[in-house]
Amino acid sequence: DIQMTQSPSLLSASVGDRVTLSCKASQNIYKYLNWYQQKLGEAPKLLIYYTNSLQTGIPSRFSGSGSGTDYTLTISSLQPEDVATYFCQQYNSWPLTFGSGTKLEIK
Amino acid sequence: QVTLKESGPGILQPSQTLSLTCTFSGFSLSTYGMGVGWIRQPSGKGLEWLANIWWDDDKYYNPSLKNRLTISKDTSNNQAFLKITNVDTADTATYYCARIVIFNYGSYFDYWGQGVMVTVSS
Repeated sequence: DIQMTQSPSLLSASVGDRVTLSCKASQNIYKYLNWYQQKLGEAPKLLIYYTNSLQTGIPSRFSGSGSGTDYTLTISSLQPEDVATYFCQQYNSWPLTFGSGTKLEIK
Repeated sequence: QVTLKESGPGILQPSQTLSLTCTFSGFSLSTYGMGVGWIRQPSGKGLEWLANIWWDDDKYYNPSLKNRLTISKDTSNNQAFLKITNVDTADTATYYCARIVIFNYGSYFDYWGQGVMVTVSS
C-alpha cells in the first residue's frame, strides 16, 4: 500500500496568511493526488484533483502543486471559513489511501 | 443535483454483519465512468477507503479488510450497498458513500453523503 504522510498535523495561522500544507507519498504517485476539506461535523469536500485542478465552485485562493512523491496544498490568503481538516488522497494504485490530515486553525 | 444518503443499523453486536445502503440521485450507476465508493472514519480519526463499484459492475476492495467486504448495486433503484461481515469494535465509525468519477487522468470522489454512524458494542 502507498502510505501518505501529511505535515504538519496541526497548523495555526492568521487571517490573510499564505498557508502551505504538505503531503508526501511513500512512492511516486505520478500526480495522481486529490485534496479534500472536511469541516467539523461535515463530510469531506473535494477541493483539488490531479494535483492542481481546482474543483468547480472552489475559491481560487486554493491551489495545488507537486510531483513524484511530494505535494502541496496552498491557501493564498487564509479566510475564517477555511478552518477545517485537509486530507490528501492518492489514486495511483489500489488500495486508495488517504493522509492522516492537517488540522488548520485560525491564530 | 447530485445527492447521496447513507443508511444503516446504528448499533450492532460483535460478530454480526453490517449492512449499509447508499441511496443517490442526480446520476446513474449505468453511466460510463460513474461509480460509488465507501469510506469510513472513526471518531476523531482519518479516512479509510473500503470499496468501489463501477458502472460496469467492476469492484475493488481494500485488502486490509480481507474477505469481509461485499459491495453491490441496484441500478434501477439508484442504490449501492456494502456488507461487512464479522464486525468488531474496530469497525465503529462514520461510514460515507461518495460518487467516484473517472476522468482523463484518473478518478476522484466529487460528491459525498452526510455519513451514517455505526457503533459495534456488546
